[in-house]
Amino acid sequence: SQKIEQNSEALNIQEGKTATLTCNYTNYSPAYLQWYRQDPGRGPVFLLLIRENEKEKRKERLKVTFDTTLKQSLFHITASQPADSATYLCALSGGGADGLTFGKGTHLIIQP
Amino acid sequence: SAVISQKPSRDICQRGTSLTIQCQVDSQVTMMFWYRQQPGQSLTLIATANQGSEATYESGFVIDKFPISRPNLTFSTLTVSNMSPEDSSIYLCSVEEGGGYTFGSGTRLTVV
Repeated sequence: SQKIEQNSEALNIQEGKTATLTCNYTNYSPAYLQWYRQDPGRGPVFLLLIRENEKEKRKERLKVTFDTTLKQSLFHITASQPADSATYLCALSGGGADGLTFGKGTHLIIQP
Repeated sequence: SAVISQKPSRDICQRGTSLTIQCQVDSQVTMMFWYRQQPGQSLTLIATANQGSEATYESGFVIDKFPISRPNLTFSTLTVSNMSPEDSSIYLCSVEEGGGYTFGSGTRLTVV
C-alpha cells in the first residue's frame, strides 16, 4: 500500500536558521508532490506544488526539491521565524483531480 | 483562491445519532473532496463528490455511513451516520485549484 513518511514528528530550529523537512514515499508514482501548512484548529493551507519532472521549486523563503529516484522531497524554510511554527504536511497526487494522500506531518517549532 | 465556508465548526453528539456537515464554496467547482483527520493522524480522503453523480468513496468508507450530497457546483454536505466514539475526528472539505487544494476550516466532531 502507499506510504508517506515525514522525517520526524517534531523539529526544533533556532530563529534565523534554515529548517529542512523530509518526505519519503513508497509504492507510489505521483504526478505531483505538494506541501501544506496546518495551524491548530485550521485546515491545511497550500504552499507549494512540484511536478514529477521538476527538480526544484522556490517561493520566497520556501524551497522544495523532488527526487523521484530516491522517492523523496525536501522542504526548506530559510531565515526561519517564530511565525513559521506550524505543522507541515507532505501530500501526493496522481494528477487530475483525484484527491491527495497525506503524510502525518512534521510539527516545526522555531525558537526565538 | 476559492473561499470555503464549512459548518458547524464543532459539535458534540450522542452515539447513534447523525450529523450533517455543510460546505459552501464562493465559486463553481467540478469536484469537492471530503477528508477525515483523526486525533494525532493525518488527513485521509473519504470521498470525492461530483455534481450530478454519485460520490466516489475511498477504500474503507461506505455510502451508508458517510452519505454525501452535491446538489450544485458550489455546495456539498457530508453526513456522519449512526455515530460511535470512533467517529470523533475533524472533517474537512476541499476543492482543487490549479493543482493545489483549498480546505475549509474543518468540523471538529466529538461523539459521546
